[in-house]
Amino acid sequence: EAGVTQFPSHSVIEKGQTVTLRCDPISGHDNLYWYRRVMGKEIKFLLHFVKESKQDESGMPNNRFLAERTGGTYSTLKVQPAELEDSGVYFCASSLGGLRGYTFGSGTRLTVV
Amino acid sequence: GQNIDQPTEMTATEGAIVQINCTYQTSGFNGLFWYQQHAGEAPTFLSYNVLDGLEEKGRFSSFLSRSKGYSYLLLKELQMKDSASYLCAASNTGFQKLVFGTGTRLLVSP
Repeated sequence: EAGVTQFPSHSVIEKGQTVTLRCDPISGHDNLYWYRRVMGKEIKFLLHFVKESKQDESGMPNNRFLAERTGGTYSTLKVQPAELEDSGVYFCASSLGGLRGYTFGSGTRLTVV
Repeated sequence: GQNIDQPTEMTATEGAIVQINCTYQTSGFNGLFWYQQHAGEAPTFLSYNVLDGLEEKGRFSSFLSRSKGYSYLLLKELQMKDSASYLCAASNTGFQKLVFGTGTRLLVSP
């Protein structure tokens, strides 16, 4: 079974530019989550999709962040315009339901310069 | 509010036993997870405790006391490959999101 795949693994962009991160969950997993870890801090929840619907987006930092999940399959997280404080590792996770079997991707390391 | 505390770093010797503690203060606590994360890789699931007591899984065991807001991860017969970060995370009733501690970096030396 393929795991959760994230692309790109690394991204370096200039302040003010736009970046789009992609997550492909495990096939058949209706639940998809985005988390972020900024330097020296804990991993923090951003949002949760059930199929194509946003179940909980209480962790999204501000309106520069836009998450979508087209057709309930892969998801994208767009940051526009990027700021220095957006640097960190963005993790995606998916699950069939509930918190058991919650599988993380390897993350996208975003650096804004 | 929610708060998860765990030590920042620990060191141990190959073959030894190490206990990583985690205390939590969360509203509507549901269960407690432990994840292992090697540098540059995905966090991988180790254990999940929802009831008080000890859950044993091979060399790894996890304990939970709901009344004390306390958990620990016990690693036995340490191996070099156990050098990694260990993340404590709490889940809340009614939610499907995790609240993480900052992680404990464990270094196993020969």
